Amino acid sequence: DAGVIQSPRHEVTEMGQEVTLRCKPISGHDYLFWYRQTMMRGLELLIYFNNNVPIDDSGMPEDRFSAKMPNASFSTLKIQPSEPRDSAVYFCASSLPRTEQFFGPGTRLTVL
Amino acid sequence: DQQVKQNSPSLSVQEGRISILNCDYTNSMFDYFLWYKKYPAEGPTFLISISSIKDKNEDGRFTVFLNKSAKHLSLHIVPSQPGDSAVYFCAATRSNFNKFYFGSGTKLNVKP
Repeated sequence: DAGVIQSPRHEVTEMGQEVTLRCKPISGHDYLFWYRQTMMRGLELLIYFNNNVPIDDSGMPEDRFSAKMPNASFSTLKIQPSEPRDSAVYFCASSLPRTEQFFGPGTRLTVL
Repeated sequence: DQQVKQNSPSLSVQEGRISILNCDYTNSMFDYFLWYKKYPAEGPTFLISISSIKDKNEDGRFTVFLNKSAKHLSLHIVPSQPGDSAVYFCAATRSNFNKFYFGSGTKLNVKP
């Protein structure tokens, strides 16, 4: 299995631009999670899906952030407009019910 | 408000000695705890877990201890090896198991 796939691995953009991060979960996993890692707050859960349905988005920082999961093999996290404080590493993870989560390699986002 | 805390941002240990990483939590409803290991430019990977019905779980050189009354868990690595140098995250969840709360991580450096 290829594991969780994220793209791009690195993204550099300017403030105000739209950013879209992509994730392909492990086949058969019905839970998908988006996390953000910062020095100050460590790993924060932004949102998670079960069977493509958003279950908990309480970690999404602002309306500028949105996430979708149109099918079982693809999810996006969009930031519009982006701000410098959004600079972080964003991880996607997937899991089966009641098991550990498997993380992708992350997308390092830099907003100038 | 962080429900899982790792108060030591870094730890340096000599090869062959014991590494002890600590984690505290505030929510008494948490009943399952995990440790993840993260190398640079990679996603976190699952290392070891423990259920609240146990106070110790071992897997090779790695042992996790849980003190429910103190709401504290620790990860012991014996003997430490240079390849163990990484960031270690602890995580906690309730029995529904789907939402993990992560600490901010401890960077372990094992010196040869």
